[in-house]
Amino acid sequence: DVKVTQSSRYLVKRTGEKVFLECVQDMDHENMFWYRQDPGLGLRLIYFSYDVKMKEKGDIPEGYSVSREKKERFSLILESASTNQTSMYLCASSRDRYPSNQPQHFGDGTRLSIL
Amino acid sequence: ELKVEQNPLFLSMQEGKNYTIYCNYSTTSDRLYWYRQDPGKSLESLFVLLSNGAVKQEGRLMASLDTKARLSTLHITAAVHDLSATYFCAVDMYSGGGADGLTFGKGTHLIIQP
Repeated sequence: DVKVTQSSRYLVKRTGEKVFLECVQDMDHENMFWYRQDPGLGLRLIYFSYDVKMKEKGDIPEGYSVSREKKERFSLILESASTNQTSMYLCASSRDRYPSNQPQHFGDGTRLSIL
Repeated sequence: ELKVEQNPLFLSMQEGKNYTIYCNYSTTSDRLYWYRQDPGKSLESLFVLLSNGAVKQEGRLMASLDTKARLSTLHITAAVHDLSATYFCAVDMYSGGGADGLTFGKGTHLIIQP
């Protein structure tokens, strides 16, 4: 089974802090994604990556950056955390480059609170 | 901009009944995904629909895709309590890079009562 592991289940940070969310997948997947999930809004794509050191913006990249130095690891960075970034963050990975016939596999999520 | 609309957003139904969740999307795509999320849990993949007319079934759930109408349905047959969850449809939004991020609907919160 595919395993997508997010380093923290719950995280509390303060406004203005630099925050790192880590995600690791163990199935040698090409693609990795970061989404945020908010009540009533569903999931929205922040950034994704289809190769090491490659990244592309999703729908809501403002205030975020990402890093993919190794194939299995994809980090989401909040450069200067703000209260409107309080959310559930979900990491996902998928096997193939586009066009892919495989679903994305999701981690358990990190519930981030910014005070 | 790709928009994905699900309805209903909330559904309470009795065990043994049938019902359908609808997923409409705004631009051409031939890849549609259905996921399930239990409270406090992550998303679990249910179906991947890859072409017009695709139909997939797993237990009491059946999903179909009509790319011409830009519509997918998730049909529940003889519902049981264990199917209570939030169901999301998602459409890929390929933008020319090497991968396809997904645009999700807002989810259908399904409660099945005895």
